[in-house]
Formats: sequence, structure tokens, C-alpha cells
Amino acid sequence: DIQVTQSPSSLSASVGDRVTITCRASQSIASHLNWYQHKPGRAPKLLIYAASNLQSGVPSRFSGSGSGTDFTLTISSLQPEDFATYCCQPSYITPYAFGQGTKLEIK
Amino acid sequence: QVQLQQSGPGLVKPSQTLSLTCAISGDSVSRNNAAWNWIRQSPSRGLEWLGRTYYRSKWFNDYAVSVKTRITINPDTSKNQFSLQLNSVTPEDTAVYYCSREGVAGKFDLWGQGTLVTVSS
Repeated sequence: DIQVTQSPSSLSASVGDRVTITCRASQSIASHLNWYQHKPGRAPKLLIYAASNLQSGVPSRFSGSGSGTDFTLTISSLQPEDFATYCCQPSYITPYAFGQGTKLEIK
Repeated sequence: QVQLQQSGPGLVKPSQTLSLTCAISGDSVSRNNAAWNWIRQSPSRGLEWLGRTYYRSKWFNDYAVSVKTRITINPDTSKNQFSLQLNSVTPEDTAVYYCSREGVAGKFDLWGQGTLVTVSS
């Protein structure tokens, strides 16, 4: 089964900062990786699919990159509504797994 | 407007069966390039994929190893919905349960509203 390790597990940042979250897969998954934003009491929201494709309706300050085993999610200029938990999800093959999440908090 | 609407009890007794339903509007459970998933979220485990059902000329299921002996996901084409049954629940199954549509690239692009299920006597 494919496992993923996210880092950091938590991150403090300020509005306007640029932040990067990393996801490492246990084996090569080409570009089969998706990113989600999750806020308390709400369903997760798809941000990026296939490593670097912005989901429709998602602001362009979100971007994704990587292939093989190493991937990153970047938020270019944090906005107040971006403080949430972010998870990666390899979609190469089932059983699917999710990263343990990165909690992004206001500094 | 495409949406998923979840229903089912929020409290289940230990050893009993958790049952949830996800009604689909604006899409079809039988669509050939989609899959219909159940995912749960708990503070201790984070997001955990449980399984899916999908139609590719016939029906298929995939399940997570951790629940494979206890789970059933069934489509209901007459009502355009799908269901989750999880048998022999314990307090460790307490979580928010989500249904989700899986589209191309294995992306979960549509989610139900979530159902908090508590396993307690």
C-alpha cells in the first residue's frame, strides 16, 4: 500500500506570507497526488489534482508541484480564510490513503 | 446543482451496525467514469478512506484493509444513491463520516455534508 508523510505537521504564519507544505510518498506515484483543505465542521475541499492542476474555483495563490515521490503545495500569499488543515492524497491505486495533515495557524 | 446528501443515525451502540446513505442529485451513481466513496475523519486518525463502489459495465467495490471484514458499500440505482454499512462497531469507529464522488485523476471533487457518528452505549 502507498503511504504518505506530510511535513510539517503544524505551521504558524502571518497573512501575506508564502508557505510550502511537503508530501512524500512511499513509492513513485508519478503525478497522482491531490491536495485538500479541511476546516472544522466542513467537508474537505479539493484544491489541486494530479499534482499541479488547480481545481475550478480555487484561487490562483494555491499551486502544486512535484512528481514521483516528492510533492509540494504552495500558498503564495496567505489570506485569513486560508488558515485550515491541508492534506495530501495519493490517487495512484487503492487502497487510498491521506497524509496526516498540516495545520496552518495564525502567528 | 450537483450535490450529495447524507442521512443516517448519529448514535450507534457498540457491536451493532452503522448504516449511512448518500443521495446523489445532478449526477448518476451508474456513471462510467466516476466512483462513489466513503471517508471518515477523527482526531486520532485524520482522514481515512473506507471504500468505494463504481460501475464499469458491472459493479465493483474496493475496501480499506482496516475495515474490509466489516464493511459493505452498495449502490441503489432505483434511488440514485449509495450506502455504507459497517458491522460490529466499537468506540474507535466514532468519527465524522463523509460520502464523496471520485472523478478523473482519483480526485474527491464533491463531498456530502458529513455525519458525526458516535459509538456509545
